[in-house]
Amino acid sequence: GQQLNQSPQSMFIQEGEDVSMNCTSSSIFNTWLWYKQDPGEGPVLLIALYKAGELTSNGRLTAQFGITRKDSFLNISASIPSDVGIYFCAGITSGTYKYIFGTGTRLKVLA
Amino acid sequence: NAGVTQTPKFQVLKTGQSMTLQCAQDMNHNSMYWYRQDPGMGLRLIYYSASEGTTDKGEVPNGYNVSRLNKREFSLRLESAAPSQTSVYFCASSEISGQPQHFGDGTRLSIL
Repeated sequence: GQQLNQSPQSMFIQEGEDVSMNCTSSSIFNTWLWYKQDPGEGPVLLIALYKAGELTSNGRLTAQFGITRKDSFLNISASIPSDVGIYFCAGITSGTYKYIFGTGTRLKVLA
Repeated sequence: NAGVTQTPKFQVLKTGQSMTLQCAQDMNHNSMYWYRQDPGMGLRLIYYSASEGTTDKGEVPNGYNVSRLNKREFSLRLESAAPSQTSVYFCASSEISGQPQHFGDGTRLSIL
């Protein structure tokens, strides 16, 4: 089935650094979602984006809906140890309710 | 706040056995979902229920059946388990139709 490409697959960063990750698709999407998953738990919805160019923040997290509608970006500012986890993007095209999920970016923060 | 509750948390089955995974939400949401998560892959939708009494196939429905018992509960049944169904299963619910919002903590299922 169709999948989204998330980049990078994993990253190690120092505490206090800013983090950027992205998600790309071959299809045009109408909505983008970003989730975080901690070990042994279910994903938690962080941010939802509904319009091309939209920029939305949730605390230290900022996500953007790409102008081409084929990509989305997530930035984390001043990372802290509890930011560790897997970040997933999900997108949906028009005419369907079935979100496609990316394969995730695994973030590890070094104190 | 319980949110979305899944039972059991872990299960080991033998090939050919049957099993029902239970899910309940206490947020009065209409929409509920079942996903599976496999290593190196994104979450994949198995079944979706937009409201009580309605269900719809997702991306990978083969080998599964579902039951939307009432507004709170959405169960997933494996009639004859196969090793390819070894996975972590997540139930989710949402206010917005089609947009999974709240996930349970998952059921880790191994089929030998």
